[in-house]
Amino acid sequence: QQQVKQSPQSLIVQKGGISIINCAYENTAFDYFPWYQQFPGKGPALLIAIRPDVSEKKEGRFTISFNKSAKQFSLHIMDSQPGDSATYFCAASPNAGGTSYGKLTFGQGTILTVHP
Amino acid sequence: DGGITQSPKYLFRKEGQNVTLSCEQNLNHDAMYWYRQDPGQGLRLIYYSQIVNDFQKGDIAEGYSVSREKKESFPLTVTSAQKNPTAFYLCASSTGRDYSPLHFGNGTRLTVT
Repeated sequence: QQQVKQSPQSLIVQKGGISIINCAYENTAFDYFPWYQQFPGKGPALLIAIRPDVSEKKEGRFTISFNKSAKQFSLHIMDSQPGDSATYFCAASPNAGGTSYGKLTFGQGTILTVHP
Repeated sequence: DGGITQSPKYLFRKEGQNVTLSCEQNLNHDAMYWYRQDPGQGLRLIYYSQIVNDFQKGDIAEGYSVSREKKESFPLTVTSAQKNPTAFYLCASSTGRDYSPLHFGNGTRLTVT
């Protein structure tokens, strides 16, 4: 019930294309859904996050779509660039106040490669 | 520049030895976390601390220990009881307030042979 399942494991996209990564969860107590971007040899960095009271959040070329009834959320990267090539992780945390938002359950990660 | 410093970047140890990974932050964050990352897997929570002198076990705490004597520092000790210690270890911090994001360090890659 604590799992977050992420797909696909790897994704190859041409420059200018749309990258789509999907995640599904079971735990209805999850209340916060961030996406992290990780480059090789570095720590993950927050890309964008959403709360379940909205169905979509957009920041620049990055959009999270959230479907509460289906317990699914996805990341869309528009106009994908070679510099977007990285590993992307979805995550979720429960609504238990303060520090609990750092107790993230992560998906398995998606390696995105954007060809020039 | 504010951030999280993990040292060393690479660490090699022989099986049966304890090893301590350093994590220091100058973000004035109250909460600190340790995650483990294995190839092809997501990150898994080892320990976390909300305030100085207080810490709680995460999902995979067995074989690990931590201390939080200063707000800025949250070292992780990988003991000989940890069965598969070779991994990439990531330290993170947050303000500890609702919906506050995690800020990660650049990790320590530990190899035990």
